[in-house]
Amino acid sequence: EAQVTQNPRYLITVTGKKLTVTCSQNMNHEYMSWYRQDPGLGLRQIYYSMNVEVTDKGDVPEGYKVSRKEKRNFPLILESPSPNQTSLYFCASSLLTTGRSTNEKLFFGSGTQLSVL
Amino acid sequence: AQSVAQPEDQVNVAEGNPLTVKCTYSVSGNPYLFWYVQYPNRGLQFLLKYITGDNLVKGSYGFEAEFNKSQTSFHLKKPSALVSDSALYFCAVRAGFTTSGTYKYIFGTGTRLKVLA
Repeated sequence: EAQVTQNPRYLITVTGKKLTVTCSQNMNHEYMSWYRQDPGLGLRQIYYSMNVEVTDKGDVPEGYKVSRKEKRNFPLILESPSPNQTSLYFCASSLLTTGRSTNEKLFFGSGTQLSVL
Repeated sequence: AQSVAQPEDQVNVAEGNPLTVKCTYSVSGNPYLFWYVQYPNRGLQFLLKYITGDNLVKGSYGFEAEFNKSQTSFHLKKPSALVSDSALYFCAVRAGFTTSGTYKYIFGTGTRLKVLA
């Protein structure tokens, strides 16, 4: 089954304790991205990646790191989490499009609810 | 600046009545527009998209959307609402290529649709 898998689903941590949220897709997608969802703010892009070893900042990258060493995996790293990073996080992937592609759409993971105390 | 606006936080509609969820956009160049739906405790799911062609786009679950270039709008519609359509709906636009040759997706703040029995 084609899917984007995020882990963990729920995570409670304390300020300053490094954590990693994993994301893996089995569709051979080039494009992967991370979003956070906050009430009243919708989805905001944190980082995205066009392919292996190619990453770029989204709209809210501060306090986050990513890596893309393999095509299928795109982990989100919080080196020193703070309470303002408490949020619902989504990973998504899609085929890379270079023009008007009829195949274009994002596939989302089920989300990770992170609470930083 | 490229952006997406969903002017209504919530839309209430009676079951069997037509529904409209509004979206307006601001992008440079030709827009690539999307609608996604989020059911409780789930990730976002693709509903439909406008890339090119007919201004009326048909998607999943009986939804359709009308692209209006002069009004820069992409409203989501359904002729007859179901209680099961109750969910959070997001409009999104693919922002044009940046100088680095990448692209990203910008989401609206979301509209909660409540269909009343």
